[in-house]
Amino acid sequence: GENVEQHPSTLSVQEGDSAVIKCTYSDSASNYFPWYKQELGKRPQLIIDIRSNVGEKKDQRIAVTLNKTAKHFSLHITETQPEDSAVYFCAAPTGFQKLVFGTGTRLLVSP
Amino acid sequence: GAVVSQHPSRVICKSGTSVKIECRSLDFQATTMFWYRQFPKQSLMLMATSNEGSKATYEQGVEKDKFLINHASLTLSTLTVTSAHPEDSCFYICSAPRGRTLHFGNGTRLTVT
Repeated sequence: GENVEQHPSTLSVQEGDSAVIKCTYSDSASNYFPWYKQELGKRPQLIIDIRSNVGEKKDQRIAVTLNKTAKHFSLHITETQPEDSAVYFCAAPTGFQKLVFGTGTRLLVSP
Repeated sequence: GAVVSQHPSRVICKSGTSVKIECRSLDFQATTMFWYRQFPKQSLMLMATSNEGSKATYEQGVEKDKFLINHASLTLSTLTVTSAHPEDSCFYICSAPRGRTLHFGNGTRLTVT
């Protein structure tokens, strides 16, 4: 089955800086890669996703890039704000409609 | 707004008792739902797939007799933690796919004393 690795486990940045979180996956047939944000004690919420037919997708301050050859995808957050502080999870499919999640990255944005 | 509703949000129970958690899809039918658990500061781990009209399928290492899943209708799945023990204390989250997107419930924080 699919295996997803995520780095770094923690990331501290100053407000206004950029943050990058990277994930690698093992199944070359995987074709859908979502990113979720989870605030403490709350449900994960989808913030952006990318399908394998594109290399990059952007939504305001958030972007995701995909390198199918290298089997990795990254989340980019620009102009970070304190409210971006949360745990971010990447995911990849492991069967029909099933997702396997990365280990998570705790992002702390300091004012 | 929320598309998946989960109840209760918190539950405290005594060791040896059973707890039932409900997961409902709102305004859409979900023939499949997924149950995840999350221990503190860890990732979401898939426990089982709830299938409407057939038995649930469990991930390796998850005891099917301990975690009973019933997909009662096209909008409702329940997870019952039987004979709960302190090591079962964690955050249980259900999810339902709508299209390609997986939507999560608010989660249930279970504390077994």
